[in-house]
Amino acid sequence: QVHLVESGGGVVQPGRSLRLSCAASEFTFSSYFMFWVRQAPGKGLEWVALISYDGVKTSYAGSVKGRFTISRDNSKNTVVLHMNSLRAEDTAVYYCARGYRSNDYYGVDYWGQGALVTVSS
Amino acid sequence: QLVLTQSPSASASLGASVKLTCTLSSGHSNYAIAWHQQHPEKGPRFLMQLNSDGSHSKGDEIPDRFSGSTSGAERYLTISSLQSEDEADYYCQSWDSGMIFGGGTKLTVL
Repeated sequence: QVHLVESGGGVVQPGRSLRLSCAASEFTFSSYFMFWVRQAPGKGLEWVALISYDGVKTSYAGSVKGRFTISRDNSKNTVVLHMNSLRAEDTAVYYCARGYRSNDYYGVDYWGQGALVTVSS
Repeated sequence: QLVLTQSPSASASLGASVKLTCTLSSGHSNYAIAWHQQHPEKGPRFLMQLNSDGSHSKGDEIPDRFSGSTSGAERYLTISSLQSEDEADYYCQSWDSGMIFGGGTKLTVL
């Protein structure tokens, strides 16, 4: 069964950086797109970033573009989200998700349990 | 830009059926969507991808009680024989130069 485990969450001051990691198992990691999606407390889901199976293509939501960077290491079955210049509005549970592509459509079919990031002074 | 609209809440009785709706904004009626279920304090769970022609592909081990259908710009998730564990938030999701989510529907099983 597909397994995605996020780590690296915590409390960080505004303007500082944090690195989230997602360890994947039980599927051929190098064949899949990977996504990060976040959920602010009491709110809905918001897409953050995606990375192609080979790491060549990345895409970001406008709210994080230029501050967050997604990367992957296919030899370690890991996807990472580097978050810089953090703001209070970045406070959320961050989910790692396995993605798929069907023509021009991208979706996610497995989710992790999430890592909480709190940005506060 | 695509917008997905969902009613904030829905309710139905144990054992009954409920139909949740996701409405695609004007000009996007041919877009595919997906439905995801989320219990409190848990990660979401993929239920199915639903195409504009009504065809759908379910996630692993999703019960037959969950089905999807389409009518124009409306995408539906029908849950039959409601069980207490179906009480959750349900999100529709699509793609339009970025991943788009509806606001979610909180389903209460009475």
